[in-house]
Amino acid sequence: NAGVTQTPKFQVLKTGQSMTLQCAQDMNHNSMYWYRQDPGMGLRLIYYSASEGTTDKGEVPNGYNVSRLNKREFSLRLESAAPSQTSVYFCASPQGRATEAFFGQGTRLTVV
Amino acid sequence: EDQVTQSPEALRLQEGESSSLNCSYTVSGLRGLFWYRQDPGKGPEFLFTLYSAGEEKEKERLKATLTKKESFLHITAPKPEDSATYLCAVQGYGGSQGNLIFGKGTKLSVKP
Repeated sequence: NAGVTQTPKFQVLKTGQSMTLQCAQDMNHNSMYWYRQDPGMGLRLIYYSASEGTTDKGEVPNGYNVSRLNKREFSLRLESAAPSQTSVYFCASPQGRATEAFFGQGTRLTVV
Repeated sequence: EDQVTQSPEALRLQEGESSSLNCSYTVSGLRGLFWYRQDPGKGPEFLFTLYSAGEEKEKERLKATLTKKESFLHITAPKPEDSATYLCAVQGYGGSQGNLIFGKGTKLSVKP
């Protein structure tokens, strides 16, 4: 039982390049989330999807786009990477409202 | 606005030295308060959910308690393997679109 799987684990981009972070969950959950974690800032919500076919902005959505491809997959895209997007990105999926969220192992992204 | 403040930012303990971590919160109607453990280079791992003031939960050397304004994570006779960053998060009924709001965490180091 893999839970939440993120790819890639590490990535280095040049400023202006684009990339897509992939997330898949095998728990048949409706909700999926993308967070970024920066030193001294804690986990901040970028985008979330309450169900297949819906997406909404979180606290820090600028510079990102998302796609809920199906119930299993939720991708995060950086169209034109900036150094300020250097961070660790986590995908998460809760079982339901006010229940535990399962996190992936994270993607460590560096933009130079 | 929903907010979570954790203290202290860092805590160093000797093995066997019990202590407590604090999580103060403001939320528009508490749906749930969550504690997670995060090891370096990994995603957060769920520990507890608390739903109402007065509730307590225990797991091995950890005990979480909840009041209307704060939660404590008590660590009894800690061991070096308890070293990690402990994250507190809240989910409310109204603000922040009902999503998880995280504190910045408390980094715990337990020396043998």
